[in-house]
Amino acid sequence: EVQLVESGGGLVQPGGSLRLSCAVSGFTVIRNYMIWVRQAPGKGLEWVSVIYSGGSTYYADSVKDRFTISRDNSRNTLYLQMSTLKDDDTAVYYCARGGWVRGDPGYFDSWGQGTLVTVSS
Amino acid sequence: EIVLTQSPGTLSLSPGEGATLSCRASQSVSSSYVAWYQQKPGQAPRLLIYGASSRATGIPDRFSGSGSGTDFTLTISRLEPEDFAVYYCQQYGSSPTWTFGQGTKVEI
Repeated sequence: EVQLVESGGGLVQPGGSLRLSCAVSGFTVIRNYMIWVRQAPGKGLEWVSVIYSGGSTYYADSVKDRFTISRDNSRNTLYLQMSTLKDDDTAVYYCARGGWVRGDPGYFDSWGQGTLVTVSS
Repeated sequence: EIVLTQSPGTLSLSPGEGATLSCRASQSVSSSYVAWYQQKPGQAPRLLIYGASSRATGIPDRFSGSGSGTDFTLTISRLEPEDFAVYYCQQYGSSPTWTFGQGTKVEI
């Protein structure tokens, strides 16, 4: 059974840092591309970052140079290191597995339950 | 950056009725890169449709997707009580980036 379980969310002050984890079971993180998506309270979905099986990483402009996506293959776990946090980074953060369509990345077929990050003084 | 605009914002319907949700892209998108998700309160999104028209594993056949170019549609043929939720379209773009529409709420 595929399962993704996020952890690490919480309350942090503006300018602070936090590391989110996404523990995966049922498939191998390194063989898939993995993403983080966030959802501000009462708002829609926003893609945050992706890591491909080869290790390439990409970020939304809103988090570039502040967030870092990584993985631990031995733990089969995905991470999101967040620094210089701002009020508008407040959101539920979801990790998800990416799927391929005709050789191109396209959609997210398995999601975690999310972890809430609140940035506030 | 491609912007996805969903309409209507809210759809008020009764169980048994059909629903048609629209997703319009600001420029042409490959249908391979369009997906639809369902999200219920307090839950993660759930993949319904990928490649504009392929149903994800376990998705009932009352859900169908169609469209090409800039106009995509999610159709729910007969609403079941569990279908009342928010629906998002999503597209993949080069760079890479993924963008979502703002969502359509289907309410009773």
